[in-house]
Amino acid sequence: EDQVTQSPEALRLQEGESSSLNCSYTVSGLRGLFWYRQDPGKGPEFLFTLYSAGEEKEKERLKATLTKKESFLHITAPKPEDSATYLCAVQGPPLGAGGTSYGKLTFGQGTILTVHP
Amino acid sequence: KAGVTQTPRYLIKTRGQQVTLSCSPISGHRSVSWYQQTPGQGLQFLFEYFSETQRNKGNFPGRFSGRQFSNSRSEMNVSTLELGDSALYLCASSLMSDTQYFGPGTRLTVL
Repeated sequence: EDQVTQSPEALRLQEGESSSLNCSYTVSGLRGLFWYRQDPGKGPEFLFTLYSAGEEKEKERLKATLTKKESFLHITAPKPEDSATYLCAVQGPPLGAGGTSYGKLTFGQGTILTVHP
Repeated sequence: KAGVTQTPRYLIKTRGQQVTLSCSPISGHRSVSWYQQTPGQGLQFLFEYFSETQRNKGNFPGRFSGRQFSNSRSEMNVSTLELGDSALYLCASSLMSDTQYFGPGTRLTVL
């Protein structure tokens, strides 16, 4: 059974105070690790897909990294508009490759980020 | 390119009723997945459809069902609604079951 644990549950930062969010995962054969941002009452917004250990991706103030057991979302000099819930999800191997993960993402509980001006 | 659309955005139903939610994927996307999001359980996978076939199903009772049409549009149905079915129902589309792009969701309230 795929499992994803995110920490911390909530994070409060001052504007400009950089930090990192953690996503620990257990999956038999990672097909992809995904980061999403979700604002209240809205659907998750796609941020990054990471496929293999050592991979890094950046977008504006966000940088995602991946190891064999966890992923980090680094936020550099955050602004109040970065306040949101950040979700991490994994996808295992599809049918025919020993898995049953067609179209299935397993999500963590999310980290609620609040950035104060 | 237009994103994933879901209708209706809000629904209020009473226990015992049934409900149908609709999802239109991004143009060209063939895979549609459905999720239920609640404060206690987070996002949980319901099922996935690809080219009108259900390929995967989560751990939900048989009251939850879905289908996909030839134009990739999808519907999910919940019969005999229970109070615990109150949730945000999210639809996501992907090209080939890879990166999923989510719609705005349908907020279902069961009274």
